[in-house]
Amino acid sequence: GAVVSQHPSWVICKSGTSVKIECRSLDFQATTMFWYRQFPKQSLMLMATSNEGSKATYEQGVEKDKFLINHASLTLSTLTVTSAHPEDSSFYICSATLRRGEKLFFGSGTQLSVL
Amino acid sequence: EDQVTQSPEALRLQEGESSSLNCSYTVSGLRGLFWYRQDPGKGPEFLFTLYSAGEEKEKERLKATLTKKESFLHITAPKPEDSATYLCAVQAPTFGNEKLTFGTGTRLTIIP
Repeated sequence: GAVVSQHPSWVICKSGTSVKIECRSLDFQATTMFWYRQFPKQSLMLMATSNEGSKATYEQGVEKDKFLINHASLTLSTLTVTSAHPEDSSFYICSATLRRGEKLFFGSGTQLSVL
Repeated sequence: EDQVTQSPEALRLQEGESSSLNCSYTVSGLRGLFWYRQDPGKGPEFLFTLYSAGEEKEKERLKATLTKKESFLHITAPKPEDSATYLCAVQAPTFGNEKLTFGTGTRLTIIP
């Protein structure tokens, strides 16, 4: 199956700093990638849809200036958490699909802890 | 608004004890229903996609079924390695949007 690589697996940072998370599709081109956030024992919540070469589409309630998404190529999307605060601590997961309407392949996730 | 409800929230079974997990959904037209397995600290791993009522799919000890209102994930003679959180998600037929709406999952523990 298709492989989605996410890096880093975990990151600890001080409040006020910015953190970048990378998501790569290793063996296929992903015109669309998705960023999810998951709090402990809760469901995955879609944050934004990332389209190659265009601006990301953010879900209601997600601050676009805080969670910067860049999809510069067909195999790479990045999520930057700017001026991170403890409430941003969460598990962030990216995903991609081979074709519209088909199953999503997920990265291994990034655990962000903001001190 | 699409909604997905999974039950039970947690389930503990003895090894070899078969059971079923439930996923009830409300969606304005179903494009697909997906089952994923998630291990702690990992991203979800794809298991099945079901598209229409009456459809069934099997993989090893797992079997997924679909009706117009719910889906079941049947686990036959489970082993400890089947312990994980099982997530259900639905996709509505919105053009150009592959967004999935997830349930909160069933945390399954298989006791040796």
